[in-house]
Amino acid sequence: QQQVKQSPQSLIVQKGGISIINCAYENTAFDYFPWYQQFPGKGPALLIAIRPDVSEKKEGRFTISFNKSAKQFSLHIMDSQPGDSATYFCAARTPPPDSGTYKYIFGTGTRLKVLA
Amino acid sequence: DAGVIQSPRHEVTEMGQEVTLRCKPISGHDYLFWYRQTMMRGLELLIYFNNNVPIDDSGMPEDRFSAKMPNASFSTLKIQPSEPRDSAVYFCASSHLRGGRTNEKLFFGSGTQLSVL
Repeated sequence: QQQVKQSPQSLIVQKGGISIINCAYENTAFDYFPWYQQFPGKGPALLIAIRPDVSEKKEGRFTISFNKSAKQFSLHIMDSQPGDSATYFCAARTPPPDSGTYKYIFGTGTRLKVLA
Repeated sequence: DAGVIQSPRHEVTEMGQEVTLRCKPISGHDYLFWYRQTMMRGLELLIYFNNNVPIDDSGMPEDRFSAKMPNASFSTLKIQPSEPRDSAVYFCASSHLRGGRTNEKLFFGSGTQLSVL
């Protein structure tokens, strides 16, 4: 129930195309859903995030679509560029049981390659 | 700000040896997380601290793993004895309270690539 399932494991997209990465979860108590982007040799960095009371969030070419009833959320990268080639992780945050702390559960990651 | 600093960047050791990974969080951050990254399992949370106190260590795989945070600016993750299956990239991340919203963003270090032969 604590898992976040991410697909696909890898993705190849032509420059200018749309990249779509999907995640699914079971725990309805998750309260925050970020996406992290990781370049080779670097740590993940926050890309965009959404709360479950919103169905969509857009920041530039990046959009999160959130389906609360299906317990799924996805990342869409419009007009994909070679510079977007990286590993993308979805995550879900668990509320604290009785304290002010949270923890994040990450998906297994998607390696995106955008061809020039 | 220099960000989260981890050392060493790479560690190669032999099975049975003790390994110590180090992390300096961003100044002022009161949460520190240790994650392990592998191809098969992605990013796994090992343990996290709040104000230097371990809060949840349920992700620590075995007693061979231990973590400490003696002060707000330093944490270690130790593996003793190390085994080949411990080979992975280990990340440290930190975050802080801001405007009542906790842990909105994790700041990751560049990781330590551990190879146990």
